[in-house]
Amino acid sequence: DAMVIQNPRYQVTQFGKPVTLSCSQTLNHNVMYWYQQKSSQAPKLLFHYYDKDFNNEADTPDNFQSRRPNTSFCFLDIRSPGLGDAAMYLCATSRVPGQGPYNEQFFGPGTRLTVL
Amino acid sequence: AQKITQTQPGMFVQEKEAVTLDCTYDTSDPSYGLFWYKQPSSGEMIFLIYQGSYDQQNATEGRYSLNFQKARKSANLVISASQLGDSAMYFCAMREQDYGQNFVFGPGTRLSVLP
Repeated sequence: DAMVIQNPRYQVTQFGKPVTLSCSQTLNHNVMYWYQQKSSQAPKLLFHYYDKDFNNEADTPDNFQSRRPNTSFCFLDIRSPGLGDAAMYLCATSRVPGQGPYNEQFFGPGTRLTVL
Repeated sequence: AQKITQTQPGMFVQEKEAVTLDCTYDTSDPSYGLFWYKQPSSGEMIFLIYQGSYDQQNATEGRYSLNFQKARKSANLVISASQLGDSAMYFCAMREQDYGQNFVFGPGTRLSVLP
């Protein structure tokens, strides 16, 4: 089945220790997104890639970086995690809307990050 | 201003009854899409139903239907015959033509189905 895969599902890191979360997709979608979601809140968009074009949200801290080496893979790097970065990180993909905004996002299962 | 408003932080419904989750949105873009997602406690976001701004009929997918009132800018989700497995967070989201790839999510409604 075509899908969005995130690894690991659970990640524990120490304060200030860099961590990388990975996302892969078999859907061949042009657009990949990274969201941060804290408990009982809506997902907050960090950035997205449209093919190789990187689009950063204005309020995404510099501590968060991303790489997309090819269509299938996208990585989220947190350079110096703080306690406030503990959250669920969701990766999603989407086709380009084309003539209209008709295409839904497909989400991975998420990576729950704990910062000690 | 909030683009997506979900005024019900939490809802309770009896098993087998219908429930309506409210969503209002704000856009000046004539072309947009509205989406509902379900997020169980396990964390994955599950796509439920879609409504396009130019769609003449309300969307339906099994037990889910969308009550789309364009003039009022509302897109309420109706779940018929609630099941215990429907207990989850529900998010309304919008994608606007002019904003390309970005989805905007509402704050969510936590639905609890009572046996």
